[in-house]
Amino acid sequence: QPVLTQSSSASASLGSSVKLTCTLSSGHSNNIIAWHQQQPGKAPRYLMKLEGSGSYNKGSGVPDRFSGSRSGADRYLTISNLQSEDEADYYCETWDTNTRVFGGGTKLTVL
Amino acid sequence: EVQLLESGGGLVQPGGSLRLSCAVSGFTFSTYAMSWVRQAPGKGLEWVSAVSGSGSNTYYADSVKGRFSISRDNSKNTLSLQMNSLRAEDTAVYYCAKVMPAAGSQNWGQGTLVIVSS
Repeated sequence: QPVLTQSSSASASLGSSVKLTCTLSSGHSNNIIAWHQQQPGKAPRYLMKLEGSGSYNKGSGVPDRFSGSRSGADRYLTISNLQSEDEADYYCETWDTNTRVFGGGTKLTVL
Repeated sequence: EVQLLESGGGLVQPGGSLRLSCAVSGFTFSTYAMSWVRQAPGKGLEWVSAVSGSGSNTYYADSVKGRFSISRDNSKNTLSLQMNSLRAEDTAVYYCAKVMPAAGSQNWGQGTLVIVSS
């Protein structure tokens, strides 16, 4: 089954940009993934799906500041013009026939 | 508007049972697979189980296989998770999620807290 690897933490300044990484395990480098945001004390929120081609489709109401991209087995979530409300945990998700998998999450701190 | 509302959480002793429910509205329930995802205190998201739109196919994480059972009632727009032989490590907030084909868990409920403790 696929495994997703994320850095445990990241930080960036208010108004700047940050790029979060989710790495797919060997043999799954073309998997579609989804990115989710979880603000403190809240349920996760779907941000987007990110195809193996690098194209992405965002969920309803997700600001234009959020975008996705890829390089090989790496999938990226870029947040530009960081706002205080972007301080949250970010998870990637993928799946195969019989299972779904989440990465360990990245805690983003907005300085 | 898509809405998912979990219920049934609570405090249960180790070895006990609990049944979670997820009432949904705002979409054609039978068309979509559904899943349960949990989050232990201070930890990340862990997929638990999923069921196809018809209910005929079910899937489980190894950590709950043989103890948990997922089901759905498409006539009542309700998803359920029967949890037996509960362990302390099953303590978590349990979320139900609507699964979009090839797109991930697109909608989430607010979660229900399960505490397994004596």
